[in-house]
Amino acid sequence: DAKTTQPPSMDCAEGRAANLPCNHSTISGNEYVYWYRQIHSQGPQYIIHGLKNNETNEMASLIITEDRKSSTLILPHATLRDTAVYYCIVRVWMDSSYKLIFGSGTRLLVRP
Amino acid sequence: NAGVTQTPKFRVLKTGQSMTLLCAQDMNHEYMYWYRQDPGMGLRLIHYSVGEGTTAKGEVPDGYNVSRLKKQNFLLGLESAAPSQTSVYFCASSWSGVSTEAFFGQGTRLTVV
Repeated sequence: DAKTTQPPSMDCAEGRAANLPCNHSTISGNEYVYWYRQIHSQGPQYIIHGLKNNETNEMASLIITEDRKSSTLILPHATLRDTAVYYCIVRVWMDSSYKLIFGSGTRLLVRP
Repeated sequence: NAGVTQTPKFRVLKTGQSMTLLCAQDMNHEYMYWYRQDPGMGLRLIHYSVGEGTTAKGEVPDGYNVSRLKKQNFLLGLESAAPSQTSVYFCASSWSGVSTEAFFGQGTRLTVV
């Protein structure tokens, strides 16, 4: 079962920041939070990941709460091309390997 | 550097037919995964491999078999296709470390009639 909970859909205006929340209250101390997105039916695309510190790269920022029970993905200036399904995933160690267990994700619609 | 390549991209099968989906990666990754995605849902893990010659079951392994004879290839087989296996199949690969991203292929759209 997925270890994360996300709202099913969100929208934001083009040029504004998109803030996508994720709850992962059962996360273990050494499990990383990953964000991927899927545009149409293409293969999921990696965005960012983190353990407990905030992270930023050229695509987005990841804010993880101090208790690590939730996080927020921030797209600072959303464009129409950011319309996609965004998956928040906890990478778990299970059965002798790391796995990405996907939930249902958040469908983000960026409005013109 | 092609990343993760899946073949074929589309396929239509009749119920009871068999087929093999091929996933190839050129990044020397240890881990490889097969997922399926049904309409409106997230990806579900079918089988995975932690290295050449190894395979293991994921969340939804029934009706599928896999093999990893070479490190760069991961094969997904359907011995007797059923309409319930109509789905989009994604392959992924990654390093084995604790903090590493997975790279996904572009998917194989399979329809079983």
